[in-house]
Amino acid sequence: IQLTQSPSSLSASVGDRVTITCRASQGISSYLAWYQQKPGKAPDLLIYAASILQSGVPSRFSGSGSGTDFTLTISSLQPEDFATYYCQHLDSYPFTFGQGTRLEI
Amino acid sequence: EVQLVESGGGLVQPGGSLRLSCAASGFIFSNYWMDWVRQAPGKGLEWVANIRPDGSDKYYGDSVMGRFTVSRDNAKNSLYLQMNSLRVEDTAVYYCVAAITFTGRRAYLDSWGQGTLVTVSS
Repeated sequence: IQLTQSPSSLSASVGDRVTITCRASQGISSYLAWYQQKPGKAPDLLIYAASILQSGVPSRFSGSGSGTDFTLTISSLQPEDFATYYCQHLDSYPFTFGQGTRLEI
Repeated sequence: EVQLVESGGGLVQPGGSLRLSCAASGFIFSNYWMDWVRQAPGKGLEWVANIRPDGSDKYYGDSVMGRFTVSRDNAKNSLYLQMNSLRVEDTAVYYCVAAITFTGRRAYLDSWGQGTLVTVSS
């Protein structure tokens, strides 16, 4: 199963609403996670099961979708949100990641 | 607090072998799936392998199948990755990950180590 994220990169400003999409090459139910990664750091889990917010993650992050089309939305960008975002499916092995979306100021 | 500390990375020649270790603490290690994920310099994330809590099932990514072996020692709270027949394209930071968050029959990768760098070069 291949995951395609769009866009690959995105420029936005503090306060903007941003949406990143992840499309699976076949249906994966809701077995999808979203991660945030900052330079030189390990990724952090933001969203799991497509729409469940991981504990401690700000509520401005939300996820939706099922089947083949998924979205990660940041409702109002904060300075600390500028990072790279990845989706990952857990439907069947191997568990692949999307290619990433770099969110820049 | 969950802590995962990888070790064993370093420089190895193509065709060589290396064994990574991950020491886990702060959670009941024997209850959870454990994964390895890697990231080549400047590139995206690649899922490498995972192993069932009791070690009975192991799964691998296509690019490492037949060359890498994941294992665990629950008595020592440790995860391992034996890497054989290493290639230049295996150069990456390797992360040990605990899949503690469980819902809908899936264990999600929620606790990551800091990673260890493996460089394959002559």
